Amino acid sequence: GAGVSQSPSNKVTEKGKDVELRCDPISGHTALYWYRQSLGQGLEFLIYFQGNSAPDKSGLPSDRFSAERTGGSVSTLTIQRTQQEDSAVYLCASSTRRGRGLRTEAFFGQGTRLTVV
Amino acid sequence: GQNIDQPTEMTATEGAIVQINCTYQTSGFNGLFWYQQHAGEAPTFLSYNVLDGLEEKGRFSSFLSRSKGYSYLLLKELQMKDSASYLCAVRDPGGSQGNLIFGKGTKLSVKP
Repeated sequence: GAGVSQSPSNKVTEKGKDVELRCDPISGHTALYWYRQSLGQGLEFLIYFQGNSAPDKSGLPSDRFSAERTGGSVSTLTIQRTQQEDSAVYLCASSTRRGRGLRTEAFFGQGTRLTVV
Repeated sequence: GQNIDQPTEMTATEGAIVQINCTYQTSGFNGLFWYQQHAGEAPTFLSYNVLDGLEEKGRFSSFLSRSKGYSYLLLKELQMKDSASYLCAVRDPGGSQGNLIFGKGTKLSVKP
């Protein structure tokens, strides 16, 4: 597609339920990132996929969080047993691969606003 | 470790010039990015620096000093629509491309 697409745009869930958030990156982009942004805060890194390499999961806040990227394209972020502190906007971004030193800015989707009640 | 610091908030007057600073300490470096984020919207790319010096793009300029771990974003002829958060991000090379780590952002308010 023309841009990074995320779904759903809004999700309200009950505490303790599992949720899945989807990200469709820009076609051909090899890198995909998930970030979390709480109200008025900066972007908190969650996980990073680059091609066929093992993902960088160092930002996942707990083992309730996991993410997959199937076929090097679509990614799903899963939060199990949601808690109220999980409420935030979850942003996905993708970037293309170029030689070292060349601009490889990330393009962001509009995010999924998750509210845990 | 990785650390990216920016001022939390800044206020400036319409038509003026404002400089937003960013300092970073990362285990590696492969480029610094500035993003703009309006409230309730996704971040959008503004500028990129990988070599020392100033990059100019219209009313916006960005400067980088790798030896000092320092960058700034300069906004000239401020307009009300420039009220937004400005995010500094560093690409830390790991593997073929590297992760993109963001600072907490600087909220800029432009007053008439």
